[in-house]
Amino acid sequence: AQSVSQHNHHVILSEAASLELGCNYSYGGTVNLFWYVQYPGQHLQLLLKYFSGDPLVKGIKGFEAEFIKSKFSFNLRKPSVQWSDTAEYFCAVTTSGTYKYIFGTGTRLKVLA
Amino acid sequence: AAGVIQSPRHLIKEKRETATLKCYPIPRHDTVYWYQQGPGQDPQFLISFYEKMQSDKGSIPDRFSAQQFSDYHSELNMSSLELGDSALYFCASSLERANEQFFGPGTRLTVL
Repeated sequence: AQSVSQHNHHVILSEAASLELGCNYSYGGTVNLFWYVQYPGQHLQLLLKYFSGDPLVKGIKGFEAEFIKSKFSFNLRKPSVQWSDTAEYFCAVTTSGTYKYIFGTGTRLKVLA
Repeated sequence: AAGVIQSPRHLIKEKRETATLKCYPIPRHDTVYWYQQGPGQDPQFLISFYEKMQSDKGSIPDRFSAQQFSDYHSELNMSSLELGDSALYFCASSLERANEQFFGPGTRLTVL
């Protein structure tokens, strides 16, 4: 069965630090990849997505992610985090022929002011 | 911009009772997805509908059923509730199945 792994469950950073959250998936075929953010008490919001083309994807709020097919990875990055980035981050994957999301376990990010 | 609407936002039920959760997709979106997120867990796919037909099915218990109506809203019916059904239930919608999903605020169901 397909699965998505997020290795960092809890991350604590100071403001202005750089962020990288890992996401790996297990599926050998075509995938669509997503990163969602969930701020406290709010719904899931799309940060960025990859369907095809340039493997370096830029999203909202200064986030970007790189799809590395050979590593089955889609890591999320931000060069300088802000206190307002405190949230939970979910990686999600859809595989060819289905459209349901397979989510990773999420990473709780806390940014210290 | 209009978002996905879910009602109710909070629901408390006793064991063995029934519950109905409603989802109103973004206007013109034709696909609805239901996910269940248990405490401290990632969202798990339950079921989806495209153009009022069930399009995919995940780990949805037989006690649960769902449908999408002519106005594209969807309802998740849950019967014989168990303690383990306590979770946050998300609905998402998309314009055609291949596009990204937009999530609603969720319904928090507590079964006592």
